[in-house]
Amino acid sequence: DAGVIQSPRHEVTEMGQEVTLRCKPISGHNSLFWYRQTMMRGLELLIYFNNNVPIDDSGMPEDRFSAKMPNASFSTLKIQPSEPRDSAVYFCASSPNREYYGYTFGSGTRLTVV
Amino acid sequence: QQPVQSPQAVILREGEDAVINCSSSKALYSVHWYRQKHGEAPVFLMILLKGGEQKGHDKISASFNEKKQQSSLYLTASQLSYSGTYFCGTRENQFYFGTGTSLTVIP
Repeated sequence: DAGVIQSPRHEVTEMGQEVTLRCKPISGHNSLFWYRQTMMRGLELLIYFNNNVPIDDSGMPEDRFSAKMPNASFSTLKIQPSEPRDSAVYFCASSPNREYYGYTFGSGTRLTVV
Repeated sequence: QQPVQSPQAVILREGEDAVINCSSSKALYSVHWYRQKHGEAPVFLMILLKGGEQKGHDKISASFNEKKQQSSLYLTASQLSYSGTYFCGTRENQFYFGTGTSLTVIP
């Protein structure tokens, strides 16, 4: 299995632009997570999907952030408009079942907003 | 609530042992352990689900106390490849990662 695939690996954008991060989970995993990692705040859960349905989006910072999972093999995280404070590494992770299994993380997208 | 990890950082010589602790004020459903190397994604090490559980592979093992409020990760006879930041993740109603423990193994 190729693991969790994220794209792009790096993204540099100007403040105010729209940014879309993409994730392909491991086939057969029905739980998908978006995390943000910064030095100051560590790993923060942004949103959690189960069977393509958003279950917990309480970590989404504000309305500028949105996430979708149109099918079991694809998810997007969109930031519009982007701000410098959004600069971070964004990880997507998937799991067969969040109760009893660990999470497999993608390689992450390093976002820099200038 | 975010679990509390200790120590924040530790430096070991090859072959030495280390213990990393993860504590919560409430009983937990589960504890995960991950290792993250610089510039890479966290990698899942193990999950503990039952009070009193102990498990491990190779020279890395973990325990979950009977009250399910504390877990410890044990690294024995450390190798250079063990260097990285170790995170516990704990689930009450929600899942939170700890603040991490930076572990550096030197020759």
